[in-house]
Amino acid sequence: DAGVTQTPRHEVAEKGQTIILKCEPVSGHNDLFWYRQTKIQGLELLSYFRSKSLMEDGGAFKDRFKAEMLNSSFSTLKIQPTEPKDSAVYLCASSHDRGGLREQYFGPGTRLTVL
Amino acid sequence: GQQVQQSPASLVLQEGENAELQCNFSSTATQLQWFYQRPGGSLVSLLYNPSGTKHTGRLTSTTVTKERRSSLHISSSQITDSGTYFCAMGITGNTRKLIFGLGTTLQVQP
Repeated sequence: DAGVTQTPRHEVAEKGQTIILKCEPVSGHNDLFWYRQTKIQGLELLSYFRSKSLMEDGGAFKDRFKAEMLNSSFSTLKIQPTEPKDSAVYLCASSHDRGGLREQYFGPGTRLTVL
Repeated sequence: GQQVQQSPASLVLQEGENAELQCNFSSTATQLQWFYQRPGGSLVSLLYNPSGTKHTGRLTSTTVTKERRSSLHISSSQITDSGTYFCAMGITGNTRKLIFGLGTTLQVQP
C-alpha cells in the first residue's frame, strides 16, 4: 500500500506569496489531518477532515490558512499571503477508524521557507 | 498548558544500553501513539498503544490509561536509534486529532 504522499517536499516563497501544498492520504483512509511542526511550538493541528468534511480548523491559523478536500484522495493546504513566521514543516497524516482504533500515518512533509 | 509531557527532554546513551522514555498526559486518552523522527525526516509510527503492553522488535510500550501515563522502552540501543521520539494522545469526543508532546531527543554513541 502506498503511504501518505506530499508535494512539494521543499518550497521557498517570498513574503506575501500564495503557496499551495498537496497531500494524498493512504487509500481507504477517511480521516485526514494537516499539522505544522516548528522547533518552538512542536506539532500543532491546522485542519482535520473526516470523510471530506472539515471537522476542525485550528483557530490560530484560520485567517491565512485554508485546507480543502475536494475528493477522498486529495487535499490541499493554501497559505495566503505567506509570512516569514510561516516557515515550518507541514505534515499531512491520515487514519481510518477500525473499531475505535485510529493509528495515524504521516507523509514526508513539506519544508516551507518564507523569505 | 501542555497536555502531553515527555521526559526526559534529551538522553545520551552508549550503544547497547537500554532507554526508558516517559509520557504523561493530562486528559483521559483513548488513543496513544509513539512516533520516531530523524532530523529532517518525517514521523514514523512506532507503536499504537492506547492501553496495555505492546512489543515490536526492540521496542516495548506500556500504557496505563487510568494513571495517564505511557512508557517506551528501547532495549540494546543502536546508533541508528538516534533521533526524536514523540508521544501523542487522542482524547475522547468528536475530534480525532492527536496532541503531541515536545519529544525526547535520543543520542546513542558508539
